[in-house]
Amino acid sequence: LAKTTQPISMDSYEGQEVNITCSHNNIATNDYITWYQQFPSQGPRFIIQGYKTKVTNEVASLFIPADRKSSTLSLPRVSLSDTAVYYCLVGRDSGNTPLVFGKGTRLSVIA
Amino acid sequence: SAVISQKPSRDICQRGTSLTIQCQVDSQVTMMFWYRQQPGQSLTLIATANQGSEATYESGFVIDKFPISRPNLTFSTLTVSNMSPEDSSIYLCSVPSLDRRLPLYGYTFGSGTRLTVV
Repeated sequence: LAKTTQPISMDSYEGQEVNITCSHNNIATNDYITWYQQFPSQGPRFIIQGYKTKVTNEVASLFIPADRKSSTLSLPRVSLSDTAVYYCLVGRDSGNTPLVFGKGTRLSVIA
Repeated sequence: SAVISQKPSRDICQRGTSLTIQCQVDSQVTMMFWYRQQPGQSLTLIATANQGSEATYESGFVIDKFPISRPNLTFSTLTVSNMSPEDSSIYLCSVPSLDRRLPLYGYTFGSGTRLTVV
């Protein structure tokens, strides 16, 4: 599994766009990039997954450059409820292999 | 996506005792995974539980301390044995979400069991 590096913490004001970048220099050809969100006192929740270019869903956008050595999770117009820890994971999820979590990025949204 | 019911949500236990945590999934899954999350830390995999076989433990975790049962494809238990204050953590189970809209599986997690050992 590719090692990932992301900022330990970030602060943002409500209404701003937040971009969290994850570095994964050793990503393999068949690896996907997946982001999870964990609120206090809850288990992690899948938010977005991508392989290359851009993926967007109702929660976030994921930008992946051509070399795939990094990725950026973009949260549009954050609110207080987006305060959470965000984990970037890289690998070939198959349903038979467990997720391996790095330290994640603790996002604090301030009013 | 699969839905997981995890119990208990929290407990305070005396040192030297044991606690069994249960995870019930609303669909059949081959693999279930157990994690520990110490205060302020990330998740650490304890073991992989495959129905019909012995659980596979990660380095630093042993069956005598964390016995796991997997009697069928929808249920698993993790027991934290002979507890000490160092075992105070959140324990979570996880399964593949089986969402076939995704190119690969996302994973679903239980809400966790917050264990405090005094």
